[in-house]
Amino acid sequence: GEDVEQSLFLSVREGDSSVINCTYTDSSSTYLYWYKQEPGAGLQLLTYIFSNMDMKQDQRLTVLLNKKDKHLSLRIADTQTGDSAIYFCAETGFNKFYFGSGTKLNVKP
Amino acid sequence: KAGVTQTPRYLIKTRGQQVTLSCSPISGHRSVSWYQQTPGQGLQFLFEYFSETQRNKGNFPGRFSGRQFSNSRSEMNVSTLELGDSALYLCASSKLAPTTNTGELFFGEGSRLTVL
Repeated sequence: GEDVEQSLFLSVREGDSSVINCTYTDSSSTYLYWYKQEPGAGLQLLTYIFSNMDMKQDQRLTVLLNKKDKHLSLRIADTQTGDSAIYFCAETGFNKFYFGSGTKLNVKP
Repeated sequence: KAGVTQTPRYLIKTRGQQVTLSCSPISGHRSVSWYQQTPGQGLQFLFEYFSETQRNKGNFPGRFSGRQFSNSRSEMNVSTLELGDSALYLCASSKLAPTTNTGELFFGEGSRLTVL
């Protein structure tokens, strides 16, 4: 569970869709998560998906889970400048979270 | 409901010194975990405490230590500071063990440590 990988940067234009990808290693994780960190702040839970689900939609957010490939993605529709932040995916194991390195999303007006 | 409170928010130390960081979890939360965040390494798990017991520890040297008090407040200590210890130290609390609930960790704003 320690090798959660994400790309470091993503730049999109306001109004476009953003897709942030993540690969994880522990197939026994019950939940997989997306956290958001705004500048100068701690992390905040954005959404999570139960491991027996393929997709979860929550307003502008869509989470896709491919358990076979251990691939998790977060799609943000109609991306706004307020969505600029660092996004972390995470899995759990043995009472601790494993976080990816974070993807910095830059939204250009 | 007050959030997770970390003190101090910013501090500057010199190499060789030691530092103690404090974390007050959300009332009723018994699990407190600590993370180190650096630009190059992302978020690295330090340790997790539940009801005053350290249940898990990350891959950090023994200079990094922590404890939890009976009121769930937690402290972490770093001794013999090195330049590479400069980082944002984040504390997170949760009601139960992270793997037994939906996993919502509530994070503080962090303590930014600069080692000169």
